[in-house]
Amino acid sequence: GQNIDQPTEMTATEGAIVQINCTYQTSGFNGLFWYQQHAGEAPTFLSYNVLDGLEEKGRFSSFLSRSKGYSYLLLKELQMKDSASYLCAVLDSNYQLIWGAGTKLIIKP
Amino acid sequence: ETGVTQTPRHLVMGMTNKKSLKCEQHLGHNAMYWYKQSAKKPLELMFVYSLEERVENNSVPSRFSPECPNSSHLFLHLHTLQPEDSALYLCASSRGTSGTGPSDEQFFGPGTRLTVL
Repeated sequence: GQNIDQPTEMTATEGAIVQINCTYQTSGFNGLFWYQQHAGEAPTFLSYNVLDGLEEKGRFSSFLSRSKGYSYLLLKELQMKDSASYLCAVLDSNYQLIWGAGTKLIIKP
Repeated sequence: ETGVTQTPRHLVMGMTNKKSLKCEQHLGHNAMYWYKQSAKKPLELMFVYSLEERVENNSVPSRFSPECPNSSHLFLHLHTLQPEDSALYLCASSRGTSGTGPSDEQFFGPGTRLTVL
C-alpha cells in the first residue's frame, strides 16, 4: 500500500529552528508538496520538490531524497505565527496525490 | 484571500436533511476538487473535475453527489448523511490535472465544517 509518515505533533521555541520529516512509500514518484494549514483555515502551498536537494524560500526550506523516500521541511527563526499543521503530499506514478496526516507544530515563547 | 471561496462555512444538519455545499474559484483554473478532512487523518480526495468533466470518484457513497456546472463553480449535494460524515469539507482548484492529481500547486478554500446529528 501507499503510505506517508509524518510526526503527529512537534513543539519548538520562538526564534529556533525546527525540521519536520516526511517519509513516503508510494508506487512511483512525480513530486512532493508541502502545505501549511492554520487551525480553521485553508491549506496553503509552501513548496514543491521533484529533484533531489534543497529548495530554499525565505525562512522555509524543503529537502528531498528520492532514493531514501524522504523529505523534510526546515523552518528557521521561528515565529508564533508558524504555529500550524504542515501537510506532506506525494504525487505517485499515476499522478495520484497521496497525503500525510499532517504535523501539528506548536511554537512556545 | 485565496481566490477560492466556500459557503456555508458551518453547517449542522440532521440525517434526513438535504443540503448543498458551494465552491467558487476566481483564479481561472480548469480543475476543481472536493476533499474530506477528518481530525488527525490524511486528506481524502472525493471528486476531481477537469474542464467540468468528472475524472475521479474515489468510491464515495452515493449520499454525496457532486455537480460542476462550469469551471468556476463546484457543488456538493448532501442527502441522508450519517454522523460519521461530520468533517471539514475542502474545495481546491489547480490550473490543470495530470491524471487525477494536480498539474501544479492547489489553492484551497477555507472549508465547510459539517456536523451531522
